Amino acid sequence: DTEVTQTPKHLVMGMTNKKSLKCEQHMGHRAMYWYKQKAKKPPELMFVYSYEKLSINESVPSRFSPECPNSSLLNLHLHALQPEDSALYLCASSQAQDTGELFFGEGSRLTVL
Amino acid sequence: GESVGLHLPTLSVQEGDNSIINCAYSNSASDYFIWYKQESGKGPQFIIDIRSNMDKRQGQRVTVLLNKTVKHLSLQIAATQPGDSAVYFCAEIPDSGGYQKVTFGTGTKLQVIP
Repeated sequence: DTEVTQTPKHLVMGMTNKKSLKCEQHMGHRAMYWYKQKAKKPPELMFVYSYEKLSINESVPSRFSPECPNSSLLNLHLHALQPEDSALYLCASSQAQDTGELFFGEGSRLTVL
Repeated sequence: GESVGLHLPTLSVQEGDNSIINCAYSNSASDYFIWYKQESGKGPQFIIDIRSNMDKRQGQRVTVLLNKTVKHLSLQIAATQPGDSAVYFCAEIPDSGGYQKVTFGTGTKLQVIP
């Protein structure tokens, strides 16, 4: 069982809606990540938080807004999305600064109508 | 391998045989590589990693080989089992962005034939 929990598992939203994806981990990890994955493609890095501060933003459009309220929680706020934003959104966490071992959740599958 | 359109490169292997999944990387400055396994409906799962000061690393039933000269990485799975069926991604840490910038390459789908 994954130790990174993502909610909701599925989300359908219109282009004018505002919604949020949530991610939680209780492994004491201090880095948390958002990835976007389209069908049959590799995960693409969106954002990284390190010690609750945004450390990497891969030029993601402002309609995606990340938030890290504390070291265990990571949110992705969604507003005015486009149909092409439909994808699997994966959250991950990692323990230390010198490892590429990420622990992924099962993802939130987003459909934008 | 390279993906074309919506088709993932696929490797079909008989149960019990060894599997070899290949990956080419382009950034010669990358010094840390990781293999992930993604089963259907799940997030990627870490398998094994290797740093550039090594050319081989072994885990349980898996071996990763790194050839920096030709920028090639491979994952060998011994005695492939049905539970190994998944998409396998190699990932690298580019020389910038620190260890957090884990960048995934094109995946390979492994199908195990019972």
